[in-house]
Amino acid sequence: ETGVTQTPRHLVMGMTNKKSLKCEQHLGHNAMYWYKQSAKKPLELMFVYNFKEQTENNSVPSRFSPECPNSSHLFLHLHTLQPEDSALYLCASSRTSGTGTASYEQYFGPGTRLTVT
Amino acid sequence: GNSVTQMEGPVTLSEEAFLTINCTYTATGYPSLFWYVQYPGEGLQLLLKATKADDKGSNKGFEATYRKETTSFHLEKGSVQVSDSAVYFCALTGAGSYQLTFGKGTKLSVIP
Repeated sequence: ETGVTQTPRHLVMGMTNKKSLKCEQHLGHNAMYWYKQSAKKPLELMFVYNFKEQTENNSVPSRFSPECPNSSHLFLHLHTLQPEDSALYLCASSRTSGTGTASYEQYFGPGTRLTVT
Repeated sequence: GNSVTQMEGPVTLSEEAFLTINCTYTATGYPSLFWYVQYPGEGLQLLLKATKADDKGSNKGFEATYRKETTSFHLEKGSVQVSDSAVYFCALTGAGSYQLTFGKGTKLSVIP
């Protein structure tokens, strides 16, 4: 599946570093999502952007900062992370109606495996 | 709020065995239901979906039927292969929403 790409695929960073995760979708979708997948925990929705506007922030700590410059690109800026932030970070995209009233499936990227040391 | 409950894993089956992974949900109205699969080292892929009661989603030999009366969407396959080894996630979007609620996932291992 090459519809949603994520870079880098693997990232190791120290707690004082600043790094960014990138996601790009080639499907013409207008909603994009960040999820966190930790071992033995359900998938956690972090952020949602619909038509470039942030519509959801699920109580995510401020050390995670999303950016959506257009409907095709989504970034997750990381700074002063903690070891418990180590996880697989998944990006997804989907169609929506303009008012978000339709239920469309999401397409996922391969994820970035993040390790915080 | 919405919730999805799926059977605890891991599930280990021999090749050609019959597979059932149970999934039940709680939601208001008429949600859309999905099964996603995650192969080792990869992201999630949509396996199948159903958008209204009694719909049957199917793909790659997998099937699931949307049962409104039992609020269930169980995943089945008649004959599993080693290549089906993966983690399977049941999910829903609530009526009028595009945000997914996931179950915890069920890891399936198929041995030759």
